[in-house]
Amino acid sequence: GQQLNQSPQSMFIQEGEDVSMNCTSSSIFNTWLWYKQDPGEGPVLLIALYKAGELTSNGRLTAQFGITRKDSFLNISASIPSDVGIYFCAGQGRGEGGSQGNLIFGKGTKLSVKP
Amino acid sequence: SQTIHQWPATLVQPVGSPLSLECTVEGTSNPNLYWYRQAAGRGLQLLFYSVGIGQISSEVPQNLSASRPQDRQFILSSKKLLLSDSGFYLCAWNPPTGGSPYEQYFGPGTRLTVT
Repeated sequence: GQQLNQSPQSMFIQEGEDVSMNCTSSSIFNTWLWYKQDPGEGPVLLIALYKAGELTSNGRLTAQFGITRKDSFLNISASIPSDVGIYFCAGQGRGEGGSQGNLIFGKGTKLSVKP
Repeated sequence: SQTIHQWPATLVQPVGSPLSLECTVEGTSNPNLYWYRQAAGRGLQLLFYSVGIGQISSEVPQNLSASRPQDRQFILSSKKLLLSDSGFYLCAWNPPTGGSPYEQYFGPGTRLTVT
C-alpha cells in the first residue's frame, strides 16, 4: 500500500533557528497536508497543498508540494517554544469512492525547542 | 462554523469490559467521518470511515466496531476490550463534496487505558 516516509523522526533546535522536515513516497499524491499535534490533543491542520510545485505559507510556516508529486516539505522559520509538538504530513490516498477522502499519514516529526 | 466533539476525554476500563466512544460534529451536513487510533503518541492508524448514515468501512481487522446512527454521530464500540486496545482515539471529519474534501479536521481525542 501507499506509505509516507517522514524525516527526521525527532529534532532539537535552539529557539530562533529555522526548521525543515519532509515527507517522501514512492507513490504519487494529489494532495499534501501538514498537521501539528500538541500533547494530549488532536492534530490541527496547518497547511493544505493541492498543486504540484505549490508553495504556501501560514505565518512562519511554509510548505511546498514537490514537483514530482511524491514529496513535500515544511519549513518553520525563527522557531519559538510553542512550536514544540509532533508534525505530521498526510497525503490523499488514491482509493475509489468513499475511500477517496482517506489520508495516508507519516509517522511524525517530534520537535523540541531548547529555550 | 463547524465543531467536533468527543467524549469521554479519558477512560480507564478493565480487560473484557465493553467500550463506547462517541463523536459528534456540528455545523455541517453529511460529513465523512473517521476513527483513528494513535499509539504511544506517534502514528495515526485509520480504523473506520463512514460516508453516510449506516455506512461503515473497516480498514483493519479489530475487536472494535463502529456505527453511525445519525448523520453527525459516529460511535466506536467493543464488546470485550483487550490490553492492546489502549491508546488515543481520534475522530475526524471532512466535507463530502466541494470545498476542500480532503482536509480532515480532528476532535480532541479520547485517551483509553485498558487495565
